[in-house]
Amino acid sequence: AQRVTQPEKLLSVFKGAPVELKCNYSYSGSPELFWYVQYSRQRLQLLLRHISRESIKGFTADLNKGETSFHLKKPFAQEEDSAMYYCALSLYNFNKFYFGSGTKLNVKP
Amino acid sequence: EAGVAQSPRYKIIEKRQSVAFWCNPISGHATLYWYQQILGQGPKLLIQFQNNGVVDDSQLPKDRFSAERLKGVDSTLKIQPAKLEDSAVYLCASSSQDRGLGNTQYFGPGTRLTVL
Repeated sequence: AQRVTQPEKLLSVFKGAPVELKCNYSYSGSPELFWYVQYSRQRLQLLLRHISRESIKGFTADLNKGETSFHLKKPFAQEEDSAMYYCALSLYNFNKFYFGSGTKLNVKP
Repeated sequence: EAGVAQSPRYKIIEKRQSVAFWCNPISGHATLYWYQQILGQGPKLLIQFQNNGVVDDSQLPKDRFSAERLKGVDSTLKIQPAKLEDSAVYLCASSSQDRGLGNTQYFGPGTRLTVL
């Protein structure tokens, strides 16, 4: 069963525009949700976790259990935000991890 | 703190050959993960270790893939024999299971495998 869905393979926005990367998940329990980012020629790294409820590099993500979504948002995109973004889900009880297929964000000057 | 180390970084083999990948996690991290990432897809968990015990290997093709973490530190992932569809980047990650950091994973640079 597909646990994490990222519907957009590619998202292109202009610098300064708002950006929203969509993530939907399927799980009836209490998952832990993450956003990971991979910049060009760098390793995959954690961007933020829903339980931390923090803003990293201007990005925020809110867990919406009703819509089973965890969309990543930033009000003003910067060129350095261009990267691959992966949404991931962890099942507390079973320690399993599932990644979405990723969205490539391209911020144009 | 040193990050997760993996070797080799690149490997090219012919189908039906064998290959092994090595991973050294961050010091003190009890949990180690191996992922397979096929081009255009997200990472897929192959196997997860807690110390030297297997927590989850439900998506590991056990007829050809094997992994071990004998002393609860380094780990090796082996493919024998390789198939064309095994061409992918193999990622290793580790996490501390610390209460504050939860399941935050730290990834290595990956090994890019090409099977011809």
